[in-house]
Amino acid sequence: GAGVSQSPSNKVTEKGKDVELRCDPISGHTALYWYRQSLGQGLEFLIYFQGNSAPDKSGLPSDRFSAERTGGSVSTLTIQRTQQEDSAVYLCASSLVPKRTEAFFGQGTRLTVV
Amino acid sequence: QQQVKQSPQSLIVQKGGISIINCAYENTAFDYFPWYQQFPGKGPALLIAIRPDVSEKKEGRFTISFNKSAKQFSLHIMDSQPGDSATYFCAASKGGNQFYFGTGTSLTVIP
Repeated sequence: GAGVSQSPSNKVTEKGKDVELRCDPISGHTALYWYRQSLGQGLEFLIYFQGNSAPDKSGLPSDRFSAERTGGSVSTLTIQRTQQEDSAVYLCASSLVPKRTEAFFGQGTRLTVV
Repeated sequence: QQQVKQSPQSLIVQKGGISIINCAYENTAFDYFPWYQQFPGKGPALLIAIRPDVSEKKEGRFTISFNKSAKQFSLHIMDSQPGDSATYFCAASKGGNQFYFGTGTSLTVIP
């Protein structure tokens, strides 16, 4: 695709429900990153994929958060038993290879837990 | 622990003025320092970047100044325009495997 695509763009969910956020990276980009951006805050690193493996998942805030990537392309971020503090914009970025350091971001998924 | 510290949190500049945003880091292994620009409702987009082997990089009205010994780098926006109003993030990475972002600076350029 022309850019990084994330879906849905907005998601409102009830506390305790599970949600799945999707990221379609730029075709051919092997590195994929998930970040979280809370209101008025910077970008919080969640997880990094190289291909289908995740060499760095140190940023996942709890075991309620998980992510996978299949076929070296699409990635899903799953949040189980959502809490109100999970409300944020979740951003996905991809880059061609780790050493090519320009990362291209999607527009994000705004998650609101009510 | 915040790997990259950014200041100020917000900045208001008159049109035509110079906007300056500062960042500091601790990890001397960082080898790439990009700046991202984010407009409301959009994802961040790469604006300009520098590597530690140079002290300055200029692209149009945007300049990065890099001080390796002080472990600081800054973004200067010359002749600031209302269209520059956005949130700016500095970042640092080591080998491009993971980016550490600053907390962001909200820039408002008033006409």
